[in-house]
Amino acid sequence: RKEVEQDPGPFNVPEGATVAFNCTYSNSASQSFFWYRQDCRKEPKLLMSVYSSGNEDGRFTAQLNRASQYISLLIRDSKLSDSATYLCVVTPTGNQFYFGTGTSLTVIP
Amino acid sequence: NAGVTQTPKFQVLKTGQSMTLQCAQDMNHNSMYWYRQDPGMGLRLIYYSASEGTTDKGEVPNGYNVSRLNKREFSLRLESAAPSQTSVYFCASRTSGAYEQYFGPGTRLTVT
Repeated sequence: RKEVEQDPGPFNVPEGATVAFNCTYSNSASQSFFWYRQDCRKEPKLLMSVYSSGNEDGRFTAQLNRASQYISLLIRDSKLSDSATYLCVVTPTGNQFYFGTGTSLTVIP
Repeated sequence: NAGVTQTPKFQVLKTGQSMTLQCAQDMNHNSMYWYRQDPGMGLRLIYYSASEGTTDKGEVPNGYNVSRLNKREFSLRLESAAPSQTSVYFCASRTSGAYEQYFGPGTRLTVT
């Protein structure tokens, strides 16, 4: 079983829409959770960490549900510049990091 | 401030050839990582180095070796390249006490 699973999409949404991505993880001992963003043919970059209480950064909200072992990312008021692949990342140990396959988002004018 | 640099950016090898991918970071980070990214597979950890002088296997270490040359540099060696090693290779680093990883721009490797 994969450590981290994501719906690959693609998600095609109009500008201004709200879109949500989910990700499930298999190791209940996982400690820390993240969302990374990866633009086409570029390196991944940290978008936000995910805390147990949930956290928000502008138009982005991340949530963690430890009981069901999933994390989510909500993007409100989508912009064209949000078009990218969003990677869910989990670490059980703080040394090894497990990446999901990524969810592709295209925001359409 | 260059961050994480990788060389080369592109490489084509024939089956059986060897090569070393270079990675360097100038952020004084303790931990360094090598990943490969394949379509539909996401990033998978090949090897990591939690600190200078230590290296450990990740999910997919077979066919690779690594060297943590010093705190700045972490190289990945393919001794006998195979077509299955065609991939994009990313190096990353992070500081102790923080989980954010900083990635290099990647090396696109094709083995024919």
